[in-house]
Amino acid sequence: DIQMTQSPSSLSASVGDRVTITCRASQSLTTYLNWYQQQPGKAPKLLIYAASSLQTGVPSRFSGSGSGTDFSLTITSLQPEDFATYFCQQSITTPLTFGGGTKVEI
Amino acid sequence: QVQLVQSGAEVKKPGASVKVSCKASGYTFTTYAIAWVRQAPGQGLEWLGSISVYNGHTKFAQKLQGRLSMTTDTSASTAYMELRSLRSDDTAVYYCAREAGSLTYPRFDNWGQGTLVTVSS
Repeated sequence: DIQMTQSPSSLSASVGDRVTITCRASQSLTTYLNWYQQQPGKAPKLLIYAASSLQTGVPSRFSGSGSGTDFSLTITSLQPEDFATYFCQQSITTPLTFGGGTKVEI
Repeated sequence: QVQLVQSGAEVKKPGASVKVSCKASGYTFTTYAIAWVRQAPGQGLEWLGSISVYNGHTKFAQKLQGRLSMTTDTSASTAYMELRSLRSDDTAVYYCAREAGSLTYPRFDNWGQGTLVTVSS
């Protein structure tokens, strides 16, 4: 199985900050990498797919980059509604696997 | 708009089975696969399996193969997930999700609201 490792596991930030979360895969994904946001008690929401494609309706302050084994999600100018947990997920092969999550706190 | 509406919370005893439904609306049900993902309390996300609504082809997480069944009823636009021989570590919120881009870049672009399954004696 492909192991997905996110860092950091949590971070503290302020409204207006630029935040970057990284995700490393145990083998090459080319660009088969997705990012999700999960608010407490809610279902995950797709933000980025294919490493850098913005899902329809997602604000442009979210962006994704990377290929191979190293990826990142960047939020420019953090907004109050962005405080949540973020997960990466590989979709190159089954079993589809997720990273452990990064909690973005105030 | 696309909606996936899941059945309500369940409490089961160890060894029992649970069946969760996921009713889709707002799109052509047969043109997307449905995936099932679970999240144990305070934990991360775990993919359980996916089913092609078009042809019924399934993919499973190996750890659950043999205990997990996924089916669809196209006349009702509903997908079902049944987990048998429940154990306490199956306690989790179970989500269904629409799988877009199955032939290009698979991703879960719409999710149900989740169904809490509690396994307790």
